[in-house]
Amino acid sequence: DGGITQSPKYLFRKEGQNVTLSCEQNLNHDAMYWYRQDPGQGLRLIYYSQIVNDFQKGDIAEGYSVSREKKESFPLTVTSAQKNPTAFYLCASSTRYSYNEQFFGPGTRLTVL
Amino acid sequence: KNQVEQSPQSLIILEGKNCTLQCNYTVSPFSNLRWYKQDTGRGPVSLTIMTFSENTKSNGRYTATLDADTKQSSLHITASQLSDSASYICVVSGDSGAGSYQLTFGKGTKLSVIP
Repeated sequence: DGGITQSPKYLFRKEGQNVTLSCEQNLNHDAMYWYRQDPGQGLRLIYYSQIVNDFQKGDIAEGYSVSREKKESFPLTVTSAQKNPTAFYLCASSTRYSYNEQFFGPGTRLTVL
Repeated sequence: KNQVEQSPQSLIILEGKNCTLQCNYTVSPFSNLRWYKQDTGRGPVSLTIMTFSENTKSNGRYTATLDADTKQSSLHITASQLSDSASYICVVSGDSGAGSYQLTFGKGTKLSVIP
């Protein structure tokens, strides 16, 4: 059963804590992406990776970090430096080039208490 | 600056009726245009992808059109069902060459289908 999964579905964090969101895909896609979605806003790109061990900053990378040690996995860490981290986070994957179709995971809703 | 504008922001229609959602973009150079459906609290799911040479594409009751000259697209939903209630997102890809990233997302149209 091919697809892209994210965990957890809901995450609560206290101010000052780092949290890591998981994203796994078994679609054999080279490229993976992290987006942030806020109410009334379009998706905004945080980070993307087109190949293992390489990743690039997106439009709103400050306060976030990623790693890409395996093709299947692209975890996102929300650090305490992110001033407004409460949002819905979406992971996506695609074949190598970003103009190809992106497949999205179910999302993680992060709430900072 | 690349932009994607969607209208209306929200729409309420009766079950069984048709509706049309609009997307205007200023992304250049253009590679493709996609429509996604996003249920509340879920990830977006692709409905259609159209390249420059395609001016219409259907997926069941969903039909997307593209006018690359005027940089406009529409998504027409026929015989709406309650399950069509969702946000519909227009996404335009700019061809930067060598696979470099350039996707521009619209804010979406929130469609509510009522009995």
